[in-house]
Amino acid sequence: GIQVEQSPPDLILQEGANSTLRCNFSDSVNNLQWFHQNPWGQLINLFYIPSGTKQNGRLSATTVATERYSLLYISSSQTTDSGVYFCAVTTALILIFGQGTTLQVKP
Amino acid sequence: SQTIHQWPATLVQPVGSPLSLECTVEGTSNPNLYWYRQAAGRGLQLLFYSVGIGQISSEVPQNLSASRPQDRQFILSSKKLLLSDSGFYLCAWRGGSSYNSPLHFGNGTRLTVT
Repeated sequence: GIQVEQSPPDLILQEGANSTLRCNFSDSVNNLQWFHQNPWGQLINLFYIPSGTKQNGRLSATTVATERYSLLYISSSQTTDSGVYFCAVTTALILIFGQGTTLQVKP
Repeated sequence: SQTIHQWPATLVQPVGSPLSLECTVEGTSNPNLYWYRQAAGRGLQLLFYSVGIGQISSEVPQNLSASRPQDRQFILSSKKLLLSDSGFYLCAWRGGSSYNSPLHFGNGTRLTVT
């Protein structure tokens, strides 16, 4: 099956800093999503991005499907960005999740 | 717009007691439905998924079962809970007409088995 690896596993930032999270996957996919799990456990859809680039405010994502990776950019980080960021991919019914990147933004 | 409801939000149950968690989706028809579990500090484990009424696929052999009695209702059950069933349970849905549709999660149920 498809393997999904996220890096780094943990990240600590000072408020205002920028960061890049990476998701590598082992095979071709037709669905890739980025999620943010907040401290209360809610999983929030950030991007549905099987290919190309999308932006939403301070967040943007790029997926290079031919090279099997996706990047999530967080600019001018805020304490509310803290939590776990998951990447998930699929080619069919089931989404395969990476192990996540835990982000802590310090004030 | 589509919404997903999951309840209860938290639950504390003794070992050996039964379990029933319910999930409903509004604003769409024939969704694909999923149950995930997340142990503390860990990733997401797919437990069950369903593509239609009465159709359940199990990903992990365990103490749990799932049912889909109606198109937009998905239930997770256990006859006798184990300590190892503690965790955060998340229901999710995707559009059923295409694999190229995003997954949406409910707010989850935090289960503690004592």
